[in-house]
Amino acid sequence: RKEVEQDPGPFNVPEGATVAFNCTYSNSASQSFFWYRQDCRKEPKLLMSVYSSGNEDGRFTAQLNRASQYISLLIRDSKLSDSATYLCVVNAGKSTFGDGTTLTVKP
Amino acid sequence: GAVVSQHPSRVICKSGTSVKIECRSLDFQATTMFWYRQFPKQSLMLMATSNEGSKATYEQGVEKDKFLINHASLTLSTLTVTSAHPEDSSFYICSAFSGGPTDTQYFGPGTRLTVL
Repeated sequence: RKEVEQDPGPFNVPEGATVAFNCTYSNSASQSFFWYRQDCRKEPKLLMSVYSSGNEDGRFTAQLNRASQYISLLIRDSKLSDSATYLCVVNAGKSTFGDGTTLTVKP
Repeated sequence: GAVVSQHPSRVICKSGTSVKIECRSLDFQATTMFWYRQFPKQSLMLMATSNEGSKATYEQGVEKDKFLINHASLTLSTLTVTSAHPEDSSFYICSAFSGGPTDTQYFGPGTRLTVL
């Protein structure tokens, strides 16, 4: 079993749709959690940190459930520019990346 | 935010040659940097942790004699792919934590290596 698992997708949604990504991790000692965005052939860029209390940044909402070892990312009112691969990252001394979930937002 | 640079951004070389990739933290000091490799449609895989002033720590399955890491200063780490072969063709990315209360991992723009 992989340390960090994501639904690979692809998710193909129309503009304006709400889409949710899920991520599970196996190491219960994991300390911090992040969502990164990676555009094709580019480096990952931090989208947001994930806290147990949940956090929101504009159209993006991240949630962490430590008991279930589960992280989520919700994108509301999808834009064409949201098309990318979204990486779940879990830190337990070192960063472990999920394989990513690919999102394509269509007009 | 903090900036991490990499050079070169793209390199094409013949099989058997060695390639050096530089990673620099431009506006902060990084005692630790990380080197990742990403094959097409796959996740980033941590290759090694580069420690300033000491030996790098390699992940299981990564050959330390093939992927030489030197962390000569608090702002520079280099990865040398020795005797490169076509299977080493990949996207190599470095990263560093910025430190402080909002310790965030910043990635370099990556180096695309193609070995012919």
